[in-house]
Amino acid sequence: DQQVKQNSPSLSVQEGRISILNCDYTNSMFDYFLWYKKYPAEGPTFLISISSIKDKNEDGRFTVFLNKSAKHLSLHIVPSQPGDSAVYFCAASLNTGTASKLTFGTGTRLQVTL
Amino acid sequence: NAGVTQTPKFQVLKTGQSMTLQCAQDMNHEYMSWYRQDPGMGLRLIHYSVGAGITDQGEVPNGYNVSRSTTEDFPLRLLSAAPSQTSVYFCASTPGASGANVLTFGAGSRLTVL
Repeated sequence: DQQVKQNSPSLSVQEGRISILNCDYTNSMFDYFLWYKKYPAEGPTFLISISSIKDKNEDGRFTVFLNKSAKHLSLHIVPSQPGDSAVYFCAASLNTGTASKLTFGTGTRLQVTL
Repeated sequence: NAGVTQTPKFQVLKTGQSMTLQCAQDMNHEYMSWYRQDPGMGLRLIHYSVGAGITDQGEVPNGYNVSRSTTEDFPLRLLSAAPSQTSVYFCASTPGASGANVLTFGAGSRLTVL
């Protein structure tokens, strides 16, 4: 049962344009949502997060939007740069009382072309 | 500041062999966890620890053991390796168990079981 889904395995965008990465979830109890970026042969690195009580969070070129009624979040990158080419994982956090467990999506490979 | 250090980076095992993947962090983080990454499956939680002496199972714990004798170290043990355990393993840590806390990942350990 995939609670966090990234339905697009890959995305190609031209440099300077907007990249939009999507993520859907099923559990309404998730309290935080995070995006991680991963380059080959490296561990994932944190990009941006949003609390379930917010609908938007912005950090420079990166903006995350949360639509709780649709159980959908998206990551916007504007403008896209070649260095943004990586795999992006959406993750959702569930507080179990003793700890928060992260559930990751399957990832979307973004390629930014010149 | 080294962050999260994983060893070895690469390992080849034969079915039935045992081994330990090492993970150490120097950030005094209470929460540590192990994930595996498989194609099309994203990152899945194997085991986690909310502090020294406390461990719990994640999503895919079978075939793996963990212990947490110190705050710094969180080794992952494979007692009898199986081909299904061929994967890339990531150790991660965070200051606390809240979902708002960002995970810091190691660079990964690629394991092949023949």
